[in-house]
Amino acid sequence: GNSVTQMEGPVTLSEEAFLTINCTYTATGYPSLFWYVQYPGEGLQLLLKATKADDKGSNKGFEATYRKETTSFHLEKGSVQVSDSAVYFCALSDQGDSGGYQKVTFGTGTKLQVIP
Amino acid sequence: SAVISQKPSRDICQRGTSLTIQCQVDSQVTMMFWYRQQPGQSLTLIATANQGSEATYESGFVIDKFPISRPNLTFSTLTVSNMSPEDSSIYLCSVREWTEAFFGQGTRLTVV
Repeated sequence: GNSVTQMEGPVTLSEEAFLTINCTYTATGYPSLFWYVQYPGEGLQLLLKATKADDKGSNKGFEATYRKETTSFHLEKGSVQVSDSAVYFCALSDQGDSGGYQKVTFGTGTKLQVIP
Repeated sequence: SAVISQKPSRDICQRGTSLTIQCQVDSQVTMMFWYRQQPGQSLTLIATANQGSEATYESGFVIDKFPISRPNLTFSTLTVSNMSPEDSSIYLCSVREWTEAFFGQGTRLTVV
C-alpha cells in the first residue's frame, strides 16, 4: 500500500534560517504529492502540490520538487518567519484502479517552531 | 476550491455521552471523508461517506461507535458515541476535488 515518511520534529529554527523538511513516499501508481500546513488551533490547509514527476510546487516562499527517481518531495524555504510556525504534513493521493481516487495518505507531520 | 464549514469548533463532553459533528460544503460532492487527529499525531481516516448509501469504515472504526449520516450532496454528520477520554481528538471533515483534499477547520473534542 501507499505510505509517506517524513522527518520527525520538532524542528526549531531562528528567523531567516533555511528550512528543509524531508518527505519520501511509497506508492504503486503515479501519485500526486502535497504539503499541507496546520497552524495552531486550525484545520489543514493546502500549501502546495505537484501532480507529476519533476513538477515543482510553490507557494508563500515554500517549494517542493516531485522527484520520482528518489521518491521524494522535500519541502524547502529560503528564509523562515515566525509566522511559519506550524505543523507540516506531507501527503499523497493516488488514482484507484476504477478510475476513482483512493484516500489521501498522510505523513506523521513535522512541527516547525521559528524563534525571533 | 471547496469551502467547508464544520461545527462545533470545539466541545468538552462528559464520558458516556455522544456528540454529533456537522459538516457543510458549499458545493455538491460525491464523497465526504471523516478523519481523526489524535494529539500530536497525523490524520487517520475514519470513514468515507457517500450520499444515499452507508458509509465505508476503515479498519479499527465501527458504525456503532461512529455513526455517519449523509442526507444530501452538501452535508454530513459524524457522531462520536459513548465517549471516553481516548476519544479526545480533533475530528476533521474533508472533500476531494480531483486529487486535492480540502478540510474543515476541525472539531476539537475533549472528553472528561
